[in-house]
Amino acid sequence: DAGVIQSPRHEVTEMGQEVTLRCKPISGHDYLFWYRQTMMRGLELLIYFNNNVPIDDSGMPEDRFSAKMPNASFSTLKIQPSEPRDSAVYFCASSLVGFRNTEAFFGQGTRLTVV
Amino acid sequence: GENVEQHPSTLSVQEGDSAVIKCTYSDSASNYFPWYKQELGKRPQLIIDIRSNVGEKKDQRIAVTLNKTAKHFSLHITETQPEDSAVYFCAASLGGANSKLTFGKGITLSVRP
Repeated sequence: DAGVIQSPRHEVTEMGQEVTLRCKPISGHDYLFWYRQTMMRGLELLIYFNNNVPIDDSGMPEDRFSAKMPNASFSTLKIQPSEPRDSAVYFCASSLVGFRNTEAFFGQGTRLTVV
Repeated sequence: GENVEQHPSTLSVQEGDSAVIKCTYSDSASNYFPWYKQELGKRPQLIIDIRSNVGEKKDQRIAVTLNKTAKHFSLHITETQPEDSAVYFCAASLGGANSKLTFGKGITLSVRP
């Protein structure tokens, strides 16, 4: 397996534009997480899914953020409209949950810059 | 919800010395405590984890200790090497079906050659 795959790796966009980040989890994993990383706030959990169903979106900062998981192999995080303070590295991670298998595998991340 | 804190935010040690990174957590029900290492420009990767039914776990030069009473756990790195320089994140989870990982803000470890 190639691991968790995110696209794009880098995104530069103008304030007010819509941004869509994409993630392909590891095949067979039943949990998918979206994290945002900044120097000030570290790694923040935005939302996570279990079997494609959103379980906890309490970390989503505003209504401008939305996430979907239409099937087990694909998820999107959308920001509309984007603002400069959304600039960060966004990580997607997946895991296969059992008592002994709770490791979260991270993708390479998407570095978002909103100008 | 769970709150995980790491202090200090940076740590510098001489090559060959030991490094200890400490974390505290707030939810006494948490039972899974992983440590992730993130090298510059790369993704976080699991390096070691511990569950609440054990107090210590070792893997070569790294070890993790857990004090459930005090709600803190620590990462110990012995004989540090320059390649240990990275950001280290601790995390806590309730485990099982509720596997939401709450991370600390990370500590930047610098190993001076």
